[in-house]
Amino acid sequence: ETGVTQTPRHLVMGMTNKKSLKCEQHLGHNAMYWYKQSAKKPLELMFVYSLEERVENNSVPSRFSPECPNSSHLFLHLHTLQPEDSALYLCASSSGYGTGGGEQYFGPGTRLTVT
Amino acid sequence: QKEVEQNSGPLSVPEGAIASLNCTYSDRVSQSFFWYRQYSGKSPELIMSIYSNGDKEDGRFTAQLNKASQYVSLLIRDSQPSDSATYLCAVNIGNSNYQLIWGAGTKLIIKP
Repeated sequence: ETGVTQTPRHLVMGMTNKKSLKCEQHLGHNAMYWYKQSAKKPLELMFVYSLEERVENNSVPSRFSPECPNSSHLFLHLHTLQPEDSALYLCASSSGYGTGGGEQYFGPGTRLTVT
Repeated sequence: QKEVEQNSGPLSVPEGAIASLNCTYSDRVSQSFFWYRQYSGKSPELIMSIYSNGDKEDGRFTAQLNKASQYVSLLIRDSQPSDSATYLCAVNIGNSNYQLIWGAGTKLIIKP
């Protein structure tokens, strides 16, 4: 595997379900991100982890719960979602240090539909 | 409220011509500027980063940065139909190496 991988690629879940999104980066980076992308809207940063510590949490509802067990893996646990949470969820990673440290590389995304 | 503004388009350019994409930002302290390309149904792909005033060239792509006027642009020379995509501009917030503000993107269509 190379780059940033995400599973599953597509997910349909009911509002009472619990599911998790998984992200893995193979770039040796120190920072990992979760973004939400809705149609016609800018990317919304949800969470940032640097060396497994959460450094940003942009007022995301508690029904989204991130987990970063090590610098290569990132999870997003989902429960009691709403239909407006349907979107493309993107994981990204960056080195986090020095010039070029802010360059973020994205996984293919998980297309989430909440019914 | 820190912002990044882009014309949503679509911007239609004939094949072989130069496509010019523009982006303005509000945070005067920003130091890092990025252009991403996103094909329909795919994730964003980094194509250019620029950190200093002036031009930076990479193949058919040239990024231009003017911090005094707070704008960054992307020129695509010899446009190809495969360049048809949405182009996203992203700017870091302050001195952060993590927080980026994203524009909503400009849809570019290259007409054969």
